[in-house]
Amino acid sequence: DSGVTQTPKHLITATGQRVTLRCSPRSGDLSVYWYQQSLDQGLQFLIQYYNGEERAKGNILERFSAQQFPDLHSELNLSSLELGDSALYFCASSVARASRTDTQYFGPGTRLTVL
Amino acid sequence: KNQVEQSPQSLIILEGKNCTLQCNYTVSPFSNLRWYKQDTGRGPVSLTIMTFSENTKSNGRYTATLDADTKQSSLHITASQLSDSASYICVVSPRAYNTDKLIFGTGTRLQVFP
Repeated sequence: DSGVTQTPKHLITATGQRVTLRCSPRSGDLSVYWYQQSLDQGLQFLIQYYNGEERAKGNILERFSAQQFPDLHSELNLSSLELGDSALYFCASSVARASRTDTQYFGPGTRLTVL
Repeated sequence: KNQVEQSPQSLIILEGKNCTLQCNYTVSPFSNLRWYKQDTGRGPVSLTIMTFSENTKSNGRYTATLDADTKQSSLHITASQLSDSASYICVVSPRAYNTDKLIFGTGTRLQVFP
């Protein structure tokens, strides 16, 4: 158990809908990262937050947004869902803002299925 | 273009045998290289992290090596166990201030049979 929690574990929805994925980082971790893992693409970095502020952006679509709250939990919002958005979404957390050897601890993931 | 390539794509070995997984990267500049183990349907777990000045790092039966000159890394698993069956992902981080964008390889799927 990494100490990172994600809810829900599974999510099934229809195209065009909007969903919210939630992540609680490990106690003491200030950075939260979101990743998407599709079958054919491997892990893709989406976005990073540090202590409530956005710090880095990866391949995140405009239909997707995220935020980190004062209690450090984070939410990833996915809107106007398409079939291709079906994937595993992982949240990870780490202690430091910008450390080259900072270990990221991954949550169990949310499996999103768009029908 | 920054890329991380892993080989082989998949590997089957017998329990107790050793194996070596390869990772080649074209990421520049280079900050660090990580190996993760990911069980099916679960989040990746960090095995090792190496900066450009480190040549080798061990974590139990896992030993990672890094050659920053040739931009190659390997992960050696000794005396494999059934629980080693997983995907092993090589991840490279370019040098960047205030960010930590990681570039992931597509992984090597290892299956260990009794």
